[in-house]
Amino acid sequence: DAGVIQSPRHEVTEMGQEVTLRCKPISGHDYLFWYRQTMMRGLELLIYFNNNVPIDDSGMPEDRFSAKMPNASFSTLKIQPSEPRDSAVYFCASSLAVAGYNEQFFGPGTRLTVL
Amino acid sequence: QQPVQSPQAVILREGEDAVINCSSSKALYSVHWYRQKHGEAPVFLMILLKGGEQKGHDKISASFNEKKQQSSLYLTASQLSYSGTYFCGTQDNTDKLIFGTGTRLQVFP
Repeated sequence: DAGVIQSPRHEVTEMGQEVTLRCKPISGHDYLFWYRQTMMRGLELLIYFNNNVPIDDSGMPEDRFSAKMPNASFSTLKIQPSEPRDSAVYFCASSLAVAGYNEQFFGPGTRLTVL
Repeated sequence: QQPVQSPQAVILREGEDAVINCSSSKALYSVHWYRQKHGEAPVFLMILLKGGEQKGHDKISASFNEKKQQSSLYLTASQLSYSGTYFCGTQDNTDKLIFGTGTRLQVFP
């Protein structure tokens, strides 16, 4: 298996622009997680899905952030409009059920810079 | 609430041992440990489950004290490849992990 795939790997955009991050989980995994990593706040869980259904989005910082999982093999995280404070590395991870008892496989991450 | 890790940083010579601690204020069902090298994604090391079961790495050991809501990761005879930032991830009665503050480990020859 190719592992978790994320695109783009790097994104540089200007404040106010829409940004869409993409993730393809490992085939057969039931859970998908979106994380954000910064020096100040560490590795934060934004939202997670189970069987394509959003379960907990309490970590999504603002209404500017939204995430979807239209099918088992694809998820997006959208920021609209983007702000400089959104600059971070965004990771997608997937795991088998039951999530707490199985390892999470992380994608390579998307480094987002908002100017 | 984010678990607290200690120490924040460790510097070792090859072959030395280290212990990294993770403490939570919430009752835990499991504790995960991950290592992240600079510029890379976190990589799974171990899971410790309530009740004593462990899954993961055969060269790194860990403990989980359910009553104290604490876990420790033991790195023995450290190698250069052990360098990186170690994160614990704690799970309560939901499916999500909350990752700790991180411990940066540097191993020198």
